[in-house]
Amino acid sequence: GESVGLHLPTLSVQEGDNSIINCAYSNSASDYFIWYKQESGKGPQFIIDIRSNMDKRQGQRVTVLLNKTVKHLSLQIAATQPGDSAVYFCAENWGETSGSRLTFGEGTQLTVNP
Amino acid sequence: KAGVTQTPRYLIKTRGQQVTLSCSPISGHRSVSWYQQTPGQGLQFLFEYFSETQRNKGNFPGRFSGRQFSNSRSEMNVSTLELGDSALYLCASSPRTANTGELFFGEGSRLTVL
Repeated sequence: GESVGLHLPTLSVQEGDNSIINCAYSNSASDYFIWYKQESGKGPQFIIDIRSNMDKRQGQRVTVLLNKTVKHLSLQIAATQPGDSAVYFCAENWGETSGSRLTFGEGTQLTVNP
Repeated sequence: KAGVTQTPRYLIKTRGQQVTLSCSPISGHRSVSWYQQTPGQGLQFLFEYFSETQRNKGNFPGRFSGRQFSNSRSEMNVSTLELGDSALYLCASSPRTANTGELFFGEGSRLTVL
């Protein structure tokens, strides 16, 4: 099946800077796009999702942008903190028929330097 | 509220053996899904159970199976273990099967096959 992929495997930023993590997807039929954060030794943790009929969604210090024209998804983290250091995964859900079946991208390791 | 609990956290098996992993979802969550995480293949969907019924299945051989009990607890079994089955097995729960993509993951069971 089609998969969600990420542009960069690693990203290093300074504390306080904004971070942008990108993702390219190929399944135009996906209903939801989701970002997860996985810290070392832990399971993935939901950050934010966006439905396919939206372009932008904001959460606490995070913004997800969806560009369906070029099939691109991004996660912006404002004022990045050391606690944001983790692997970030984008994922897609094909909607109600998929249930809890998510297709994950490869992950981007974010390192925040003090 | 207690999170998703997986047992055991770590285990070592030899080729040809079988293994059973257990997952207790968040109280009230009726959907349980399983994912395999490896460095090479990333996060891959195994299967989902809802109200004791398998609702979705990923592209894994029949050696991988699962079940869900009436209290929503779930187990997955891998028979005739192969070296390539070494992975982190993650369980995730959600309140319902028609899902936007927000899953609650446990910390995983790390299986090493020797």
